[in-house]
Amino acid sequence: QKEVEQNSGPLSVPEGAIASLNCTYSDRGSQSFFWYRQYSGKSPELIMFIYSNGDKEDGRFTAQLNKASQYVSLLIRDSQPSDSATYLCAVNNQGGKLIFGQGTELSVKP
Amino acid sequence: AAGVIQSPRHLIKEKRETATLKCYPIPRHDTVYWYQQGPGQDPQFLISFYEKMQSDKGSIPDRFSAQQFSDYHSELNMSSLELGDSALYFCASSLAGGGSYNEQFFGPGTRLTVL
Repeated sequence: QKEVEQNSGPLSVPEGAIASLNCTYSDRGSQSFFWYRQYSGKSPELIMFIYSNGDKEDGRFTAQLNKASQYVSLLIRDSQPSDSATYLCAVNNQGGKLIFGQGTELSVKP
Repeated sequence: AAGVIQSPRHLIKEKRETATLKCYPIPRHDTVYWYQQGPGQDPQFLISFYEKMQSDKGSIPDRFSAQQFSDYHSELNMSSLELGDSALYFCASSLAGGGSYNEQFFGPGTRLTVL
């Protein structure tokens, strides 16, 4: 079992809809959680980070963290075709290195 | 804003050759991380440096070595290259020792192809 699990997708949503991306992690000592967006052949781009239980909103993006359930999610409101990419969930346990999930491929259809 | 710089962006080598990848972190960032991403896979942590000292080590082959210099740039040296080393190599940087609460920003990557 991977330390960080994501549904690989592809997740297909119509333009303007809400896309919901989910991630679970196995190490209860994990302290910080990150969502990266990666276009094919490009580098991961940091979208959101969250440290505390609850919701954190930034523009069209909302990250949700539930440490008791070891669950992190990313909501993208008003999805646009340009949001089509692979979304990587990453967990930082200690010491700084990131442990990534396998990524969820999102496709937003016009 | 200045970003992480990596060079070269593309590199083609033959088996058993050596390669050196360079990374220049965001100004004032003192911690550098190296990740390897194979085709269709998620990035895998290789090694990290804080203040020129190795701070953590992941699944880095013994054929690879790395260091961080006084200007905080880092180099990843790869010897006896194998076909399986073909991948995207990313460098990321962060502030203040790269603790659990510091965001990492990724460079554009070096695409290494081993023939």
